[in-house]
Amino acid sequence: NAGVTQTPKFQVLKTGQSMTLQCAQDMNHEYMSWYRQDPGMGLRLIHYSVGAGITDQGEVPNGYNVSRSTTEDFPLRLLSAAPSQTSVYFCASSLRHRRPGELFFGEGSRLTVL
Amino acid sequence: AQKVTQAQTEISVVEKEDVTLDCVYETRDTTYYLFWYKQPPSGELVFLIRRNSFDEQNEISGRYSWNFQKSTSSFNFTITASQVVDSAVYFCALSEDPIQGAQKLVFGQGTRLTINP
Repeated sequence: NAGVTQTPKFQVLKTGQSMTLQCAQDMNHEYMSWYRQDPGMGLRLIHYSVGAGITDQGEVPNGYNVSRSTTEDFPLRLLSAAPSQTSVYFCASSLRHRRPGELFFGEGSRLTVL
Repeated sequence: AQKVTQAQTEISVVEKEDVTLDCVYETRDTTYYLFWYKQPPSGELVFLIRRNSFDEQNEISGRYSWNFQKSTSSFNFTITASQVVDSAVYFCALSEDPIQGAQKLVFGQGTRLTINP
């Protein structure tokens, strides 16, 4: 099984550019989420989705958009990148009810904004 | 607001030593979940354990054990007879009762554990 797949693994952007981080899972998980990991701050929730067509904001949503048109995919869009968005981004998925909090993570996408 | 504190930023021990990673949490909820995740050098986070707020029984899984104490709001993780493969960043996390399946985990800052041969 592929599990949770994130692309790209590395990306360098200039301030003001836009891009989309892709996330796909093949486990038929209803719940998907995006976190960012910064040194000394652990992981912080950006956006999450409990199913296709349903998304909501997490702790640090500003500057990011998401959509969930299918169960498998949950892309994260940066509309106008800023240096403060330099981070490692993780996508995670899980079964919605059966095992609360048991998240399956992707390998991460390292983003640098110059 | 929920908060998780891992006061130990880095720990370094020699192989076969026992090591305890501390985790202190804050929440006003009566129903909540606590977790530990491992982040090896490869980068992805791996789920280790979940505990709900009504289950204070300690748990042991091989060389790993977890001590949950509501009286001190702590959920500590002990590795017995550590091995080099245990080297990783470990995260403690907390979530409220997942209403409608929204599993919003709040993570601590992480503890980088290095096991030296």
